Amino acid sequence: DAGITQSPRHKVTETGTPVTLRCHQTENHRYMYWYRQDPGHGLRLIHYSYGVKDTDKGEVSDGYSVSRSKTEDFLLTLESATSSQTSVYFCAISESRDFRQGYEQFFGPGTRLTVL
Amino acid sequence: LAKTTQPISMDSYEGQEVNITCSHNNIATNDYITWYQQFPSQGPRFIIQGYKTKVTNEVASLFIPADRKSSTLSLPRVSLSDTAVYYCLVGDMAAGNKLTFGGGTRVLVKP
Repeated sequence: DAGITQSPRHKVTETGTPVTLRCHQTENHRYMYWYRQDPGHGLRLIHYSYGVKDTDKGEVSDGYSVSRSKTEDFLLTLESATSSQTSVYFCAISESRDFRQGYEQFFGPGTRLTVL
Repeated sequence: LAKTTQPISMDSYEGQEVNITCSHNNIATNDYITWYQQFPSQGPRFIIQGYKTKVTNEVASLFIPADRKSSTLSLPRVSLSDTAVYYCLVGDMAAGNKLTFGGGTRVLVKP
């Protein structure tokens, strides 16, 4: 399995508090992603990174920010958590964005976040 | 990005072949078709990817007709451990990796 860890694995927080989720990889892959998964919605891309300090928005980026200061770490921050952000968050990595070369995304174990 | 449509759920029995068809009518020339598998409480896992005709690996086969408006994932001789959600994704290099996972197909393998 690809070396991807997420921390914390579970978190309960209150509305209005800041929350930071961490994704750490040991594969030295260039691309990293944050998804959220909710019942009935599959996985939806929040943000992704194509290199250190290079990030871009996904389809559900409102209320989230990301940072990538090192190749191995990709942080997802909820500046002021809301109940609608209760979800399971998955980090993923890939070596290439080219479908013909190592496009496959490897997913981490997920973080279950509950905002009360 | 091309939208995909796949059945919500399918039931099967151990030892049978499971075929999941995904519809992607507006697939573009540069789009590849990719399938992921997700077990409960785990992240998705890549199964197979193809562009046209047939692709086979140790886990599954992917059949893509000439018009590429649909594709079929075939899981041979399923076991109970194949119970999972299967996602069909279509995307192109121009969109980078901004792929959209739809609702997927929940496959239940019964003894």
